Amino acid sequence: AQSVAQPEDQVNVAEGNPLTVKCTYSVSGNPYLFWYVQYPNRGLQFLLKYITGDNLVKGSYGFEAEFNKSQTSFHLKKPSALVSDSALYFCAVRDIRSDMRFGAGTRLTVKP
Amino acid sequence: DSGVTQTPKHLITATGQRVTLRCSPRSGDLSVYWYQQSLDQGLQFLIQYYNGEERAKGNILERFSAQQFPDLHSELNLSSLELGDSALYFCASSAGHGAYEQYFGPGTRLTVT
Repeated sequence: AQSVAQPEDQVNVAEGNPLTVKCTYSVSGNPYLFWYVQYPNRGLQFLLKYITGDNLVKGSYGFEAEFNKSQTSFHLKKPSALVSDSALYFCAVRDIRSDMRFGAGTRLTVKP
Repeated sequence: DSGVTQTPKHLITATGQRVTLRCSPRSGDLSVYWYQQSLDQGLQFLIQYYNGEERAKGNILERFSAQQFPDLHSELNLSSLELGDSALYFCASSAGHGAYEQYFGPGTRLTVT
């Protein structure tokens, strides 16, 4: 069965600094990996996905994620954080046969 | 705006009652998913429909049921409600399954008193 872990409940960064939100996964087949963001009282918004190909995936709002097969990781990154990036971030994984499994979420706080 | 609509936005009801949540997927999307989000359980997958047929089942209680209609809108029925059913319920849609990303609606906040 597939699973996904977000080891940090909370990540704090200063505005303008790079940010990383970590995600590791476990699936039996080739993984499909996703990042979503949730702002207060809103639904989840799709940021980016990895299906196949280049390990570095670029997404919305300047975010990118790096797929690392040997470490089974898919960390979300941004070179320069904005206060408006403060939100709850979810990593998700599925394979061709399974439903989507979401991580517990990481709350990102960017301080001015 | 994701293009997925959910009604109602808020619902307050008493224990033992039954409610129906409604979802309209993005135009052209055939898959509809239901999720429950609570503080202690996180985001839990409940059930998926694809073009009117149930495709996958997650942690859905027997008191809960869902269906997808010919026009592709979906309803989630919650019965014999308990205090612990209080949560945000999200609907999401996608063009298919597997590699397709899901687009989420704004959610229905259910409060059971």
